[in-house]
Amino acid sequence: DVKVTQSSRYLVKRTGEKVFLECVQDMDHENMFWYRQDPGLGLRLIYFSYDVKMKEKGDIPEGYSVSREKKERFSLILESASTNQTSMYLCATAGGAMNTEAFFGQGTRLTVV
Amino acid sequence: DAKTTQPTSMDCAEGRAANLPCNHSTISGNEYVYWYRQIHSQGPQYIIHGLKNNETNEMASLIITEDRKSSTLILPHATLRDTAVYYCIVMYRDDKIIFGKGTRLHILP
Repeated sequence: DVKVTQSSRYLVKRTGEKVFLECVQDMDHENMFWYRQDPGLGLRLIYFSYDVKMKEKGDIPEGYSVSREKKERFSLILESASTNQTSMYLCATAGGAMNTEAFFGQGTRLTVV
Repeated sequence: DAKTTQPTSMDCAEGRAANLPCNHSTISGNEYVYWYRQIHSQGPQYIIHGLKNNETNEMASLIITEDRKSSTLILPHATLRDTAVYYCIVMYRDDKIIFGKGTRLHILP
């Protein structure tokens, strides 16, 4: 079974802190994605990566950055957390041309106080 | 922007077939139709996808009209565990996944 593991299920951080959300996959998938999900707004794409050291902005990249130094790990970084970044964050991975369905982690519920 | 239109919510009696429609009138020739669902408090789960032909797997069937402008996801014998938000997504293979609002399916006992 594919495993997509997010480092924390629940996280509470203070305004202004630098926050790292980690996502690790064990299926050697090329593509990885970060989403946030908010009531009434659905799932929105923040950033995605097609390969190591490659990244592309999604629909709402402001206030976020990402890092993909190794194929299996995709990190989402909140440079200076703000209360409007309180949300559920979901990581996903997909294999590419031969196996295109995406697999999602269980999510990290981040609260910024 | 999402390229699909789905009803906001639907009800289905337990044990009956649940038929979830999706309109995608602007779909291009190489774009696939994917379906995912999200059960409360979990990450989305892949269900099925297709290009032109109807598809079936252990979870569901996907019926795509001949002009490819709409499709229907069929859960043949709905159970309470099928209560979820169902997302119809049009995309190229190996592309980013953009979610719309989906259909909230309620399975009634």
